[in-house]
This record gives sequence, structure tokens and C-alpha cells, in this order.
Amino acid sequence: NAGVTQTPKFQVLKTGQSMTLQCAQDMNHEYMSWYRQDPGMGLRLIHYSVGAGITDQGEVPNGYNVSRSTTEDFPLRLLSAAPSQTSVYFCASNPRQGPPEAFFGQGTRLTVV
Amino acid sequence: AQSVTQLGSHVSVSEGALVLLRCNYSSSVPPYLFWYVQYPNQGLQLLLKYTTGATLVKGINGFEAEFKKSETSFHLTKPSAHMSDAAEYFCAVGGPNQAGTALIFGKGTTLSVSS
Repeated sequence: NAGVTQTPKFQVLKTGQSMTLQCAQDMNHEYMSWYRQDPGMGLRLIHYSVGAGITDQGEVPNGYNVSRSTTEDFPLRLLSAAPSQTSVYFCASNPRQGPPEAFFGQGTRLTVV
Repeated sequence: AQSVTQLGSHVSVSEGALVLLRCNYSSSVPPYLFWYVQYPNQGLQLLLKYTTGATLVKGINGFEAEFKKSETSFHLTKPSAHMSDAAEYFCAVGGPNQAGTALIFGKGTTLSVSS
């Protein structure tokens, strides 16, 4: 069972570059979300989606874009990378029915220099 | 709005000692509550969850947590710590009015276990 798959695992960007973090899930979950993890800050919600074609902002959305064209995929785009976006990014999915138990990918460690 | 407070960013115990990680939540509706564990350089893994019913919840690796509505708490315990329990632990809340949407996480507690 693949679950939630994130690519790449590691990435180094220069300030001003753009890139897309990929996230795919094979559990047919309607809900997906992106978090960033920084030391002492826990996980902070960037964007989330409740289904294909529907996205919304979380706590820290600035500098990031998302789209959801299929149930399986939920890419996160950094428009113009900044050093403040150096972080570990986690994608999660959870089912529509029942408790919102989140299933996490292994994370992408991003460094912006 | 929902929120989670984890008391103590770092907890140190000796092997064999009791583990107690504290979590308090704020929610205007009966919440769903979760504990996740993160081992170094890995993703988050579910330890246990409270939905409805029994307030004492048992999870993996010998951990358990008790939902206390009157204290708005969901503290995580383990009777006897093992070296392999060293990790970061996150408490999270989600409510019925947010069913299926993203969880709100606390800032995490790092557990160190010494021999």
C-alpha cells in the first residue's frame, strides 16, 4: 500500500526560483492538505482541499498556490522561493466520512538559499 | 476556533519510568482528538485517537490517553518508557463541524529517554 507519496524528498532552491512539490494518494480520500513543519512551531496548515476543484487557505498560505484537478493529486507550488520558506513540508489526506484521521506522506525537506 | 496546547516542549525520562505528555484543547463542539508520533526524518504516524464512547483510549506501542471533558485535556501516558519511544509527539484536534478537513496541531513535545 503506497498511501500518501510525496516527491521530491529533498530540494535546494535559490531565492526567487519556483517549484512544485508533488503529492499523490491512492486511498480515494476526498480531503487533502499541506502543512509545513518548523522547529518549535509544530505543523501549520498551508492549504487544504475538500475535493477535486475545491481548495481553501489555511493558517500560512502566503507564497504558495495549490490546485486539485483530480482526487489523487494535490501539488503545492512555490511561486518565488524565499529563505523563510525553508522548512519540511508534509502532505496529508483523510477520508470524508468519520473522524478526520490524517494519513501523512514522508515529507519534503526544502532549503532556500 | 479550535486550538491545541501541549505543555512542555521537551520531556526527559529514564528507561522504565512513566511517560506523561500533556495536551489541552479548545473546541466549541465535542472534538475528535489524536496523538501522532514522529521519529527522526520520518512522517507522522497515528498513535491513537478519541472519537466517541470510552474516554480511555489505547494505542500502539503501549501508549494510552484519557479524554477529560471537564478539564479539556487529552494527556498521553505510557507506564514504562523504552529507548525506542524517543521521538516527537503531536496532539491534534478536529471537530464534527470540520469532519474531513485538516487537523489543528499542537507545537509538539520531544521525548528523550535515557538509560
